[in-house]
Amino acid sequence: KQEVTQIPAALSVPEGENLVLNCSFTDSAIYNLQWFRQDPGKGLTSLLLIQSSQREQTSGRLNASLDKSSGRSTLYIAASQPGDSATYLCAARPGGSYIPTFGRGTSLIVHP
Amino acid sequence: ETGVTQSPTHLIKTRGQQVTLRCSSQSGHNTVSWYQQALGQGPQFIFQYYREEENGRGNFPPRFSGLQFPNYSSELNVNALELDDSALYLCASSLGPQGRRGNTIYFGEGSWLTVV
Repeated sequence: KQEVTQIPAALSVPEGENLVLNCSFTDSAIYNLQWFRQDPGKGLTSLLLIQSSQREQTSGRLNASLDKSSGRSTLYIAASQPGDSATYLCAARPGGSYIPTFGRGTSLIVHP
Repeated sequence: ETGVTQSPTHLIKTRGQQVTLRCSSQSGHNTVSWYQQALGQGPQFIFQYYREEENGRGNFPPRFSGLQFPNYSSELNVNALELDDSALYLCASSLGPQGRRGNTIYFGEGSWLTVV
């Protein structure tokens, strides 16, 4: 059974810092891994999707990497802003399955 | 905005009652999945519908059931509500089953269910 862990659970940083959020998964035979953002009481917004054959994806100030052999993905946020404050979740989809496994998320606060 | 709409946004039900939640998928998307997200947890997969048929189910009892209509909109029904059913219920749509490469999932804003 796939298990996904996100560390840290919570993070508070001053504006402008570069951040690394971690996601680890127990079954390396994944199909893809997706990072989401969730604002309080809201749905999830897809940030980046990394296929199993890819090593990283970039969108603006966000960069996500994937290392299947070590069962890890990282989300790098450059030059953080207060508007980045949210919960960030990763979801690993096993090969041959429609059922993604989510982590519990990292709650990020960026203060001015 | 993802184009996935859910209703109602909030509702309160009594233990033992039944509830129906609705979801309209993003235009062109033929696959809808439902998730339950308890406070402080990640979303848990309930089931997925592809072209009006259930084609994947998570670890939820049969009192959680669903439908997908010809226009690909969907309903989630929960019978005999329990206190632990209180959660945010999320609908997600995609083009094709979520197992396919390149399939990004688009989520709605969710329906908050409180069971008292």
